[in-house]
Amino acid sequence: RKEVEQDPGPFNVPEGATVAFNCTYSNSASQSFFWYRQDCRKEPKLLMSVYSSGNEDGRFTAQLNRASQYISLLIRDSKLSDSATYLCVVTSRANSGGYQKVTFGIGTKLQVIP
Amino acid sequence: NAGVMQNPRHLVRRRGQEARLRCSPMKGHSHVYWYRQLPEEGLKFMVYLQKENIIDESGMPKERFSAEFPKEGPSILRIQQVVRGDSAAYFCASSPRQGNEKLFFGSGTQLSVL
Repeated sequence: RKEVEQDPGPFNVPEGATVAFNCTYSNSASQSFFWYRQDCRKEPKLLMSVYSSGNEDGRFTAQLNRASQYISLLIRDSKLSDSATYLCVVTSRANSGGYQKVTFGIGTKLQVIP
Repeated sequence: NAGVMQNPRHLVRRRGQEARLRCSPMKGHSHVYWYRQLPEEGLKFMVYLQKENIIDESGMPKERFSAEFPKEGPSILRIQQVVRGDSAAYFCASSPRQGNEKLFFGSGTQLSVL
């Protein structure tokens, strides 16, 4: 089983729609969670951190469910500019060295259609 | 405050040549990560370094690949005797300290092997 799993999509949604992505992780001891956004041929950029209490940033809402080991990203009122690949990121303590290992999911591709 | 700087932006090499990719982390960041991304695929972890130390190189091929992060100067990812399969985008990311997993990425180096 992969450490971090995402549906690669693509998700094709019309402008104004609400879309949600899920990401599951295998290590129950994982500690930090993030969503990154990557535009075509560009570098990934941090979108938002994910907390157990849930957090919201404008049209974006992120949730963490530790019991079921998944995180989610909800985008309301989709814009054309939201078209990108959304990467789920999970950190957990490495087996050796004790440092925090950062693992990226394969990403979910979103295409917002006019 | 300049971001993570990678150069060159594009690098073309013939099979058998050496490729050197450079990464200058953000000011004040002493942790560097290297990732490789093939077209239409996710980010693959290669190596994690702190100043003068390799912390985790579990994602790096055992042969032909090496990385360093000297006390002075940028981090270098070196690929010897390149093959066509090495063609990919190589991204570098930095973070300020252990335990802060918010990574800031450079624009990447696109390596093309002819």
